[in-house]
Amino acid sequence: EAGVAQSPRYKIIEKRQSVAFWCNPISGHATLYWYQQILGQGPKLLIQFQNNGVVDDSQLPKDRFSAERLKGVDSTLKIQPAKLEDSAVYLCASRWGTPGELFFGEGSRLTVL
Amino acid sequence: AQSVTQPDIHITVSEGASLELRCNYSYGATPYLFWYVQSPGQGLQLLLKYFSGDTLVQGIKGFEAEFKRSQSSFNLRKPSVHWSDAAEYFCAVGAGTYKYIFGTGTRLKVLA
Repeated sequence: EAGVAQSPRYKIIEKRQSVAFWCNPISGHATLYWYQQILGQGPKLLIQFQNNGVVDDSQLPKDRFSAERLKGVDSTLKIQPAKLEDSAVYLCASRWGTPGELFFGEGSRLTVL
Repeated sequence: AQSVTQPDIHITVSEGASLELRCNYSYGATPYLFWYVQSPGQGLQLLLKYFSGDTLVQGIKGFEAEFKRSQSSFNLRKPSVHWSDAAEYFCAVGAGTYKYIFGTGTRLKVLA
């Protein structure tokens, strides 16, 4: 069974530039999450989808972050414009049912200079 | 809203010694509880999970954890640590409304 796929693995940009991260969850997993993990910290939930609907985006900085999950499968997280404090690893995870564990991708590491 | 506390930021143990990592949670009902491990540059890998039933759960790599409702704890244990266990460990709490919250992590160092 293929795992959660994320790309790109690494991205370096200047502040005020934009960046997009892509995630393809495990086939059949209806729930998808984006987490932000700053160095030395635990993952912080940014947004969660159930199929193509948003369940919780209360911690998403909506002035600069956006995410979509068209057709309820893969998802894109965008940051525009990026700030220095956005430097982090962006983790995508998916889940099949309730209860159920999260399956994580390897993450996309963003460095903002 | 649920929350997770991992009181130990760093733990150092000698290879072969026993290990216990602490996790305390806050949630009004019985939560779903997880332990994940993260090696440098990698995503998170599930070690074990608790949904219901037997409060002592076994996981991969020889790890186990015990759910204690009275103490709101879900501590991770291993009887004999191997050098390859050096990594960061995260406790997580899941609630019925799909929300999964992670602790700040405990970094484990293993001395040869």
